[in-house]
Amino acid sequence: SQKIEQNSEALNIQEGKTATLTCNYTNYSPAYLQWYRQDPGRGPVFLLLIRENEKEKRKERLKVTFDTTLKQSLFHITASQPADSATYLCALKNSGYSTLTFGKGTMLLVSP
Amino acid sequence: KAGVTQTPRYLIKTRGQQVTLSCSPISGHRSVSWYQQTPGQGLQFLFEYFSETQRNKGNFPGRFSGRQFSNSRSEMNVSTLELGDSALYLCASSLVDRSYGYTFGSGTRLTVV
Repeated sequence: SQKIEQNSEALNIQEGKTATLTCNYTNYSPAYLQWYRQDPGRGPVFLLLIRENEKEKRKERLKVTFDTTLKQSLFHITASQPADSATYLCALKNSGYSTLTFGKGTMLLVSP
Repeated sequence: KAGVTQTPRYLIKTRGQQVTLSCSPISGHRSVSWYQQTPGQGLQFLFEYFSETQRNKGNFPGRFSGRQFSNSRSEMNVSTLELGDSALYLCASSLVDRSYGYTFGSGTRLTVV
């Protein structure tokens, strides 16, 4: 069956450090992978998209890598700040008229 | 520009009742998707509409239904509510090319008592 796995344990890091979150998947052939941020009681907010033929994407302090051989994406936040504390969700879409399917997310806590 | 608007923001219903939730997408976005979010299951896909046609449907019972109007606004309906339907219901709109990401509303928090 298809699975998207994100670490269910919260990631606690200190301000200024780099946070690295992992998204693993099985039985998908994703056309692209997306990362979202969600704050409590709010809808997810789109951050980055990386396509199947791309290895890495950057946006300001964010970096995403995509390894289709390992079936894994890594999401990095450099110089993390307490305001980065939130739950981060990865989402996959196969090619064609398939839906966007979300992982359950990993909570990131950045302490001052 | 205005974001995705979901109404109502909060709702309390009794078991057995039915409920209708509304979603107004971003202007120009013709695709609308609905998700149910619970602490245990995360975001679960309900359905997706494009130009008034249901394009995909998730693995939910027939009590869950939806529709999209010609102005791209969408509604979802849940009949014969059960306690387990308590959740945050999220609507997301996107351009035809969904590679630009989904824009989510703030959701409707439904509590069934």
